[in-house]
Amino acid sequence: KAGVTQTPRYLIKTRGQQVTLSCSPISGHRSVSWYQQTPGQGLQFLFEYFSETQRNKGNFPGRFSGRQFSNSRSEMNVSTLELGDSALYLCASSLKGTGDTEAFFGQGTRLTVV
Amino acid sequence: GQSLEQPSEVTAVEGAIVQINCTYQTSGFYGLSWYQQHDGGAPTFLSYNALDGLEETGRFSSFLSRSDSYGYLLLQELQMKDSASYFCAVVLMNRDDKIIFGKGTRLHILP
Repeated sequence: KAGVTQTPRYLIKTRGQQVTLSCSPISGHRSVSWYQQTPGQGLQFLFEYFSETQRNKGNFPGRFSGRQFSNSRSEMNVSTLELGDSALYLCASSLKGTGDTEAFFGQGTRLTVV
Repeated sequence: GQSLEQPSEVTAVEGAIVQINCTYQTSGFYGLSWYQQHDGGAPTFLSYNALDGLEETGRFSSFLSRSDSYGYLLLQELQMKDSASYFCAVVLMNRDDKIIFGKGTRLHILP
């Protein structure tokens, strides 16, 4: 069974640009959660989508948004990029959502903002 | 606010036992999870404690005490491949920022 796939793996963007990251969950999983990982702040929850609806949202500005498609694939968008947005962005899929006991993470997208 | 505290680094010897602690200041959570992350890799799920007590999965065990606001991950018969970062996490009840993670503990294993 294929794991969680994130694309692209690496990305370099300039301040002020926007970026879209993609996550394909494990087949059959309807929940996709997104996380930002930085050395200083660790892993922080961005939001969760379940059956195309945003179910939970972390404490991030509105520049961070996402969506989920009918096939459960999810995209995350960051607009007006700032240097501080440089991070590893991880998505995780699970059957039931963030209340689930086990989430499967993708390899992440390493975003560098210059 | 809600927070999870872990030691930033722990060092142990191959073949030994090591305990990684996680203390928390939060209320109303479903359970405590542990994840392992190797450098450059994705976090992988290790264990979950919904109830107080010890959960054992092979060489790894995890413990939770809600009355003490404390949990730990116990790794036995350490192997070099166990060198990684370990994160505890809780899933919160009735909050939008549904899940919070500790900052992670870097485990160094000496031969």
